[in-house]
Amino acid sequence: QQQVKQSPQSLIVQKGGISIINCAYENTAFDYFPWYQQFPGKGPALLIAIRPDVSEKKEGRFTISFNKSAKQFSLHIMDSQPGDSATYFCAASSSLYGGSQGNLIFGKGTKLSVKP
Amino acid sequence: EAQVTQNPRYLITVTGKKLTVTCSQNMNHEYMSWYRQDPGLGLRQIYYSMNVEVTDKGDVPEGYKVSRKEKRNFPLILESPSPNQTSLYFCASSPRSLGNEQFFGPGTRLTVL
Repeated sequence: QQQVKQSPQSLIVQKGGISIINCAYENTAFDYFPWYQQFPGKGPALLIAIRPDVSEKKEGRFTISFNKSAKQFSLHIMDSQPGDSATYFCAASSSLYGGSQGNLIFGKGTKLSVKP
Repeated sequence: EAQVTQNPRYLITVTGKKLTVTCSQNMNHEYMSWYRQDPGLGLRQIYYSMNVEVTDKGDVPEGYKVSRKEKRNFPLILESPSPNQTSLYFCASSPRSLGNEQFFGPGTRLTVL
């Protein structure tokens, strides 16, 4: 129930296209859903995050869509650029619990390649 | 500059030789955590610390130890490394563990022969 399932494992998109990465969760106590971006040789860095009181959050070309009833959330990258080529991780955590249940649970990652 | 630093960045060692990977943050964060990243498995939490002298196991703690004697430092100790601990390790910190951005270090690539 603590898992976050992420798909696809890898994604190839043409420059200017839309990249879509999906995540699903089971724990209804999760109330914070961030996406992290990781470039080769670097640590992950927060890209964008959403809480379940909204269904969508947009920051520039990056949008999170959140479907509470389906327990799914997704990252959309509009007008994808070669510089967006990276590994993306979704994650989830709950503020209802302390200790280990308050920790971030990460998906297994999606390697995005944007072809010029 | 606000950051999380890790040392060393690269390490090759042999089975059974104790090693320590240091982690330090200059953001006065309460929460710190260690992860390992392996292909196809994503980021898995090893240990975390909610504050000084407060540590707890994550999902994959076997073979690792940690300590949190100071707020800024959170070293990861492998007392008897084995080849299955060959991995990419990340330290992270956060103002709190719940619903806040985690700041990651640059990673330590460890190879155990």
